[in-house]
Amino acid sequence: GEEVAQTPKHLVRGEGQKAKLYCAPIKGHSYVFWYQQVLKNEFKFLISFQNENVFDETGMPKERFSAKCLPNSPCSLEIQATKLEDSAVYFCASSYTEAFFGQGTRLTVV
Amino acid sequence: TQLLEQSPQFLSIQEGENLTVYCNSSSVFSSLQWYRQEPGEGPVLLVTVVTGGEVKKLKRLTFQFGDARKDSSLHITAAQPGDTGLYLCAGAAGGATNKLIFGTGTLLAVQP
Repeated sequence: GEEVAQTPKHLVRGEGQKAKLYCAPIKGHSYVFWYQQVLKNEFKFLISFQNENVFDETGMPKERFSAKCLPNSPCSLEIQATKLEDSAVYFCASSYTEAFFGQGTRLTVV
Repeated sequence: TQLLEQSPQFLSIQEGENLTVYCNSSSVFSSLQWYRQEPGEGPVLLVTVVTGGEVKKLKRLTFQFGDARKDSSLHITAAQPGDTGLYLCAGAAGGATNKLIFGTGTLLAVQP
């Protein structure tokens, strides 16, 4: 596709439930990034992939967060046992030379 | 830790005024991007600057990369209500492979 497609746009989960977010990168882009945007517009890097391989996971919380980019499937970000502080907008970006962002998934944990 | 500080944090101006947003760091970046984000949307790429001292123009927007590649500025001439949004600078230590370090953001409101 010509744009980064993220689903769902909104997701509400009770504390302790699982949340799974999806991202279809732009065709031909071999790098995928996940960012978390919290209050005060702060963007936090989570993880990046080169094709299906993890490239940089220095921003990923060690517990509860996992991500995958499998061939012929959308990339995914999964949060096990969500906590209130996981409430944020999660953005996916794909890159060839410059990063292009999706519209984000707003996760609300109640 | 690489940090990008933007100033001002908030800016409310009248249509037709000029403004400048600054993006400063103590770290050197190989490239710097400027994005604009509107409510409920993802950041939209405006420009990428890669060479120290580089100046790029996009209609009424002028972007400059500092000589030492540590800072950048965005100047808007004759602002319009359609320029309203959150402006973000983001630096990359490497090329497409590297994560972006985002600035703290500048929220611009242009009143008609």
